[in-house]
Amino acid sequence: DAKTTQPPSMDCAEGRAANLPCNHSTISGNEYVYWYRQIHSQGPQYIIHGLKNNETNEMASLIITEDRKSSTLILPHATLRDTAVYYCTSQRSGSRLTFGEGTQLTVNP
Amino acid sequence: DVKVTQSSRYLVKRTGEKVFLECVQDMDHENMFWYRQDPGLGLRLIYFSYDVKMKEKGDIPEGYSVSREKKERFSLILESASTNQTSMYLCASRGTVNTRSTDTQYFGPGTRLTVL
Repeated sequence: DAKTTQPPSMDCAEGRAANLPCNHSTISGNEYVYWYRQIHSQGPQYIIHGLKNNETNEMASLIITEDRKSSTLILPHATLRDTAVYYCTSQRSGSRLTFGEGTQLTVNP
Repeated sequence: DVKVTQSSRYLVKRTGEKVFLECVQDMDHENMFWYRQDPGLGLRLIYFSYDVKMKEKGDIPEGYSVSREKKERFSLILESASTNQTSMYLCASRGTVNTRSTDTQYFGPGTRLTVL
């Protein structure tokens, strides 16, 4: 599975959009991009995933560049409860899930 | 909503004790996983199971065993706990990998185990 790179930390004001980037320049054609988040002392929570089209659900939007080498997770109106570590991972169907260090997002009042 | 529950949120045990961590999922998922998570080391797979009574070693199985007697329940056993097994233990489940969204893993709340 491709290695992903994320900034270690980001800040966002409450009510604003949080845009979390992820680089996955070695991603292969059959690998999906997955996003999870982990609020302190809890288990990881699935957010969204995509292959090449942009995706949206009730939690977030995922924008994948046309060359698929990077993606952005968008939380359109961040709240204090969105403060968490966000993990971007690329994964072939059926392969093992791995997390890097992720991005610590802090939403400030 | 998928629900994965773990028997304890916090556990303190002594070196040499046998420790049981239980995980239950309510989505009829075939696949279940046990991970441990440590600062700087990320998420590491200990064991997984793709069916009742079936198990496969993950990346760090030493010192652990598992049991899956029923589809909804996956247990992690530390035969003789040691201090280096102090960690956050996470259970996850996943459906059969044959549809678009079934690579998604659903995690329990985690068990923070301290071995003294």
